Formats: sequence, C-alpha cells, structure tokens
Amino acid sequence: DAKTTQPPSMDCAEGRAANLPCNHSTISGNEYVYWYRQIHSQGPQYIIHGLKNNETNEMASLIITEDRKSSTLILPHATLRDTAVYYCIVRVGSGAGSYQLTFGKGTKLSVIP
Amino acid sequence: EPEVTQTPSHQVTQMGQEVILRCVPISNHLYFYWYRQILGQKVEFLVSFYNNEISEKSEIFDDQFSVERPDGSNFTLKIRSTKLEDSAMYFCASSPTAPRRGYTFGSGTRLTVV
Repeated sequence: DAKTTQPPSMDCAEGRAANLPCNHSTISGNEYVYWYRQIHSQGPQYIIHGLKNNETNEMASLIITEDRKSSTLILPHATLRDTAVYYCIVRVGSGAGSYQLTFGKGTKLSVIP
Repeated sequence: EPEVTQTPSHQVTQMGQEVILRCVPISNHLYFYWYRQILGQKVEFLVSFYNNEISEKSEIFDDQFSVERPDGSNFTLKIRSTKLEDSAMYFCASSPTAPRRGYTFGSGTRLTVV
C-alpha cells in the first residue's frame, strides 16, 4: 500500500495558491518525495520531487518539513487546467530498492472560477 | 518537449485473444515501465525494464504478460489470452539514466476486452 496520506479532495479559487499536504511519517533516509498529477484519464504527469531541501520549478514548489515526515505541494497561481488528482509518492532515488511508483488515491483538486 | 508515444489509443479485443500494446519511449531514456489503471481505481505498477531485461515486476505481471524491446525505439507489452478483467488503461513510461528523476508517462492505451 501507499506510504503516504493525503486528503481525498480540496477546492481552490482560480488565481489563488493551492497548498496540497501529504504525510509520510515512515519515510526512510534514502527515499525521495515525488508529486505527480493525473488530469481525467490521461497519463500521470511528473511535477516535482525532493529529498530534504525545498524545491521549486516552473510548475510548483515543494516544501518538506525538517523531520521529513510531511510535505506540501504549492501551485502558486492555480488555473482551471490545474484541476486534477494529485499524488504524493515516496520512493528511493537510486541504489538498492524498488523504483516502482506506488500510487494511492491522491487528492482531487478542484479549481473553482 | 519530448513525449512517450503509445499506440493504439484504444484497442477492442475479444476474450481469449492476444494483444500487443506499443510504446515509443523518449530516445535517450534507459528505464521503461508499464502501469495500468482499471476504471475508477488506482494506477498500478506492472513491470520495469532496464538493460534489456525485466528489473522489477508486480504480482499482476504473471505469465499472461510479457514485455519486449524489439528494436532501439519500441517497447511492447503483450497480453496473452485476454480476460474481461484485463480491461483497463495501460500506461507506458520512461525515465533517463537516473531513476531518481521523474518518469514521463504516455497518454495510454484503453484496452477493452469483450
């Protein structure tokens, strides 16, 4: 089963920041936090990943707590096209271990006009 | 932006028939994967492939399934003797030399077994 816990759904007003939380209290030292999203029945789309430092790219920011037991994905200015299911996944980055992604049920984000 | 291409987008097959789902991963990627998603359910890992061999497979990936990289560009999933419960979206994905980086998924093949 997935090693993460996410709220099943969230709403966000268009133009506002969307903050999606994720708990991963059993994360191991060599495991990264990955975020993907899935729009309708399309293939999942990679958003961002991190180990312990906060990360930012053109899509989003990832804030990881110091103890690494939780993280928050931030979409700074949500648009209607950001309506999707967002998945938080922990997985090893390299070396020994499984590279498969274990998807949970994710958070259904609805961006409201 | 480079894409993972899957064909066909929709395949209908009769129960008991064999199907081959095709994928063209991103050209400089070395790790390849198949996932599936039954309607309304989670995305599930099937198999990963690296250096011309299976590196991981799930319990779902039994003898009914096989994967192949027949040439330098294609990556296929064969499902033998299809069953009604094989109906699902099948997603191919690839990742570059370092699995630490994110995967790129294709848009999927919807398989309907009738």
